[in-house]
Amino acid sequence: NAGVTQTPKFRVLKTGQSMTLLCAQDMNHEYMYWYRQDPGMGLRLIHYSVGEGTTAKGEVPDGYNVSRLKKQNFLLGLESAAPSQTSVYFCASSYFNRGGRAYDTGELFFGEGSRLTVL
Amino acid sequence: GENVEQHPSTLSVQEGDSAVIKCTYSDSASNYFPWYKQELGKRPQLIIDIRSNVGEKKDQRIAVTLNKTAKHFSLHITETQPEDSAVYFCAASRDSTLTFGKGTMLLVSP
Repeated sequence: NAGVTQTPKFRVLKTGQSMTLLCAQDMNHEYMYWYRQDPGMGLRLIHYSVGEGTTAKGEVPDGYNVSRLKKQNFLLGLESAAPSQTSVYFCASSYFNRGGRAYDTGELFFGEGSRLTVL
Repeated sequence: GENVEQHPSTLSVQEGDSAVIKCTYSDSASNYFPWYKQELGKRPQLIIDIRSNVGEKKDQRIAVTLNKTAKHFSLHITETQPEDSAVYFCAASRDSTLTFGKGTMLLVSP
């Protein structure tokens, strides 16, 4: 039981290059999220998914795209990387209905993080 | 959308002292309030959470209190230890997403 796994863990890109971050979870969670973490800014939600085939925008979605073709995987893409996207990216997953109500979130299980540098 | 404010941004205490971190939220419909601890270079991990039908929850040395009327909640750590040194994040949720505060760096000196 690996939990939440992110690849790659480190990447350096040049401005304008593209890349994809992969998140995989083996806990059969419905919800998956991508956050970015910058110094003094906390964790900000980029995009999220409440189930296979669904995605939604979070707080800071511009410049990113996501896909959830399989329940266990959530991909984050950068089509044309910019220096402002230099950050640590965390994927997370969560079950739902823990509180007895539909759509309530529960504990987020985070991956180890992916450090991306855009030059 | 939801807005979560967290204070202080840094907190230094002596080992054995208590530490209190406070958060306010803006959306009165939020009903779930977790706290995460992130050690240096590690992933955030849940340490305690509370739902809006409860005013206080305790787990050994940590406790969380919630005041729905004032829309604020607090984390209390008693008898702090050096291993409590980390960044702590509060968060609030009303549906399928969490909005995090900006974090508090807690430093516990021996």
